[in-house]
Amino acid sequence: AQTVTQSQPEMSVQEAETVTLSCTYDTSENNYYLFWYKQPPSRQMILVIRQEAYKQQNATENRFSVNFQKAAKSFSLKISDSQLGDTAMYFCAFMGSNYKLTFGKGTLLTVNP
Amino acid sequence: EAGVTQFPSHSVIEKGQTVTLRCDPISGHDNLYWYRRVMGKEIKFLLHFVKESKQDESGMPNNRFLAERTGGTYSTLKVQPAELEDSGVYFCASSQVRGYVAEQFFGPGTRLTVL
Repeated sequence: AQTVTQSQPEMSVQEAETVTLSCTYDTSENNYYLFWYKQPPSRQMILVIRQEAYKQQNATENRFSVNFQKAAKSFSLKISDSQLGDTAMYFCAFMGSNYKLTFGKGTLLTVNP
Repeated sequence: EAGVTQFPSHSVIEKGQTVTLRCDPISGHDNLYWYRRVMGKEIKFLLHFVKESKQDESGMPNNRFLAERTGGTYSTLKVQPAELEDSGVYFCASSQVRGYVAEQFFGPGTRLTVL
């Protein structure tokens, strides 16, 4: 069975600075996808970024980028130029051959003005 | 385009009572998923519908939980009788197709409290 671990329950960052959220996972599969989801306060969870395991190049979406280290089973999320609207719970998730999402416990990120 | 909607947003019931949660997926999405987050723990998969058929219900905790998706549109998740450990946030998600490339769109969740 796959597991996803987010070791930082809470983090904070100053507006305009950069922050990195950690995620590690465990799987015996070779082909899979990794995701970061964001859930702002009292709002729906939305997909931030997705990484295919067979791609060596790290995914990037505007201010969001990942550092995918397949051998180390690590998948961290970097948020550059943090904005107040980035305040949210961030979930790391794994999808393997069964197409089910396996989530970590989440990291609550607060962006301070 | 309307997103995934869930009703109610909150439900407070007593142990032993019955509660029914509803999820309306995005129109045209054949795949519908239920997840649950118990306080302080990970979001866990419950089950997956493809149209009206249960594709995978391996995450359903026990037979007190019954999910249906009549006509392949909206879905209901009934808990009968509810127990204290059923408290948590129940999320519904839908996707157009199944697989890695299919983004799952999540609803806002239903917060269930069993007293």
